[in-house]
Amino acid sequence: NAGVTQTPKFQVLKTGQSMTLQCAQDMNHNSMYWYRQDPGMGLRLIYYSASEGTTDKGEVPNGYNVSRLNKREFSLRLESAAPSQTSVYFCASHAGNNQPQHFGDGTRLSIL
Amino acid sequence: AQSVTQPDIHITVSEGASLELRCNYSYGATPYLFWYVQSPGQGLQLLLKYFSGDTLVQGIKGFEAEFKRSQSSFNLRKPSVHWSDAAEYFCAVGETSYDKVIFGPGTSLSVIP
Repeated sequence: NAGVTQTPKFQVLKTGQSMTLQCAQDMNHNSMYWYRQDPGMGLRLIYYSASEGTTDKGEVPNGYNVSRLNKREFSLRLESAAPSQTSVYFCASHAGNNQPQHFGDGTRLSIL
Repeated sequence: AQSVTQPDIHITVSEGASLELRCNYSYGATPYLFWYVQSPGQGLQLLLKYFSGDTLVQGIKGFEAEFKRSQSSFNLRKPSVHWSDAAEYFCAVGETSYDKVIFGPGTSLSVIP
């Protein structure tokens, strides 16, 4: 019963490098989300996807791109990493309105 | 603008004492509300949720929360705290007509044995 799986769990990048964070869910959920978590700021929504083939910006989309590859997978890409993007990234999914979100275990990303 | 506030950044309580974590929201339509808990190094786990009906909802681990529309609040309570309750707690709010959920900044709970 995997739920939401994120890879990798940890990553260190140099400024200017690119990287894709992967997320997959096996619950047949329509909606998927990417958040970043920083101390004292809670979870801030980067992008979300209400259904396969659609994506929308959240609160803090600058510097990121996303792809909803299919119903299961939702990836987050940093084209040119910056130290300000050092954070813990969480992927989540849910079945639709009024349903709680299910979270992955997070990706801890450090950019030097 | 939609927002969620958790006025207490950090709370310390003694084991066995009662607990109340505050959450206030600003939302245009009928909200649905959640409380999540995050242990260090872990993802978020749902404690409880409110969609409609009875304004006092029961969750896991002995937690409950009360929705007060007039105060735009959804405070989390527990009558007797255990050391294992030390964690970060997040209030979250969504609207029935939208697919986005907004999280509060979190309250860090420490428990003194």
